[in-house]
Amino acid sequence: GAVVSQHPSRVICKSGTSVKIECRSLDFQATTMFWYRQFPKKSLMLMATSNEGSKATYEQGVEKDKFLINHASLTLSTLTVTSAHPEDSSFYICSARRSGGGPTYEQYFGPGTRLTVT
Amino acid sequence: QKEVEQDPGPLSVPEGAIVSLNCTYSNSAFQYFMWYRQYSRKGPELLMYTYSSGNKEDGRFTAQVDKSSKYISLFIRDSQPSDSATYLCAMKNTNAGKSTFGDGTTLTVKP
Repeated sequence: GAVVSQHPSRVICKSGTSVKIECRSLDFQATTMFWYRQFPKKSLMLMATSNEGSKATYEQGVEKDKFLINHASLTLSTLTVTSAHPEDSSFYICSARRSGGGPTYEQYFGPGTRLTVT
Repeated sequence: QKEVEQDPGPLSVPEGAIVSLNCTYSNSAFQYFMWYRQYSRKGPELLMYTYSSGNKEDGRFTAQVDKSSKYISLFIRDSQPSDSATYLCAMKNTNAGKSTFGDGTTLTVKP
């Protein structure tokens, strides 16, 4: 299989605090992980692409100082939302890509993390 | 104009119906085409992955790509209530490239 987990699945935090979301590839090594944000009834908005051991590449308009991404190992990437505000409330989804060609090179998504900032 | 446009739906069909989900795109460099299924409050799940034009069948699902028209479709035969979900098309230039997603079509299959 190609299982990707995320933790926590749901988090509520107060405005001004920081929240860390973990993304793990459970049964394969992921050299590349992606972080998305999804608003209700909207598609996935790519926030950043991270490669293991190097700095993440952020999409235009995404604040890299606010959304800190670390991809320290081939099975773990973390997204930290710093100084969270209510407008950061969203569904955050990670995906992981494993090496190889064909369908196995495709992205496998985690179950998502629902962040609510009060 | 968005690079990928997807019929917004929502779509509601009776059980057993044939469902057609469609996307158009403007970037002629797209070569890899994917369909994802996303259940409510869950992450997307890869359903079909095709390269270039043609048809690909997997059980009740058929993915069709027409590069000349820049049009892709996903057909679901004998639709089941368990097929009720949001379906996202996605495409990319290269195998290693990042995917561009459609906005999704929400499908409800009524028993």
